[in-house]
Amino acid sequence: DAGVTQSPTHLIKTRGQQVTLRCSPKSGHDTVSWYQQALGQGPQFIFQYYEEEERQRGNFPDRFSGHQFPNYSSELNVNALLLGDSALYLCASSLVGTVRANYGYTFGSGTRLTVV
Amino acid sequence: QQQVKQSPQSLIVQKGGISIINCAYENTAFDYFPWYQQFPGKGPALLIAIRPDVSEKKEGRFTISFNKSAKQFSLHIMDSQPGDSATYFCASNMNRDDKIIFGKGTRLHILP
Repeated sequence: DAGVTQSPTHLIKTRGQQVTLRCSPKSGHDTVSWYQQALGQGPQFIFQYYEEEERQRGNFPDRFSGHQFPNYSSELNVNALLLGDSALYLCASSLVGTVRANYGYTFGSGTRLTVV
Repeated sequence: QQQVKQSPQSLIVQKGGISIINCAYENTAFDYFPWYQQFPGKGPALLIAIRPDVSEKKEGRFTISFNKSAKQFSLHIMDSQPGDSATYFCASNMNRDDKIIFGKGTRLHILP
């Protein structure tokens, strides 16, 4: 049973460009959360999608947007890239309302985005 | 505003020793405190978690100690092994909220 799959694994973009990152959740999960992990920092919550809608959002600008598809997969889009957007972007899936259960989130290995 | 403060940033422990990582939280609405473990090139994975109705939870060599009045909790790794070398994140969550707030992490290195 595949866990969370993210693509691409690495990406280099130029300042001002736009990027789309993709995530396939673990089988049986219906909720996808996106986190940004800067080098040497803990993951920061960007937003969460459930039933194809944004359910919660962290303190990130509108340049960060997302989408969830009927098959529960998700995309993270970042517009007008800044150097400070360079980070590891993590996708975490869960069954709605169960992050407090013994198994918590299931994280993917992330997409390493470098903005030059 | 950082809601979960974690220390130390890095820790070196001899094999067989006890590793201790500390966290403090600010928001008294938090009522679920997980620890996640992250190996290089991988996403974090849930290690152990505690709710504030208990003061301690033990799973194998891993123990969480919780002090509600001080708003602090800690992870103890007994008989630390080289395979425990990883980054550890404390985190917090409040009821009816699927968002987990992470600390900045502690890079643990166990000397063989």
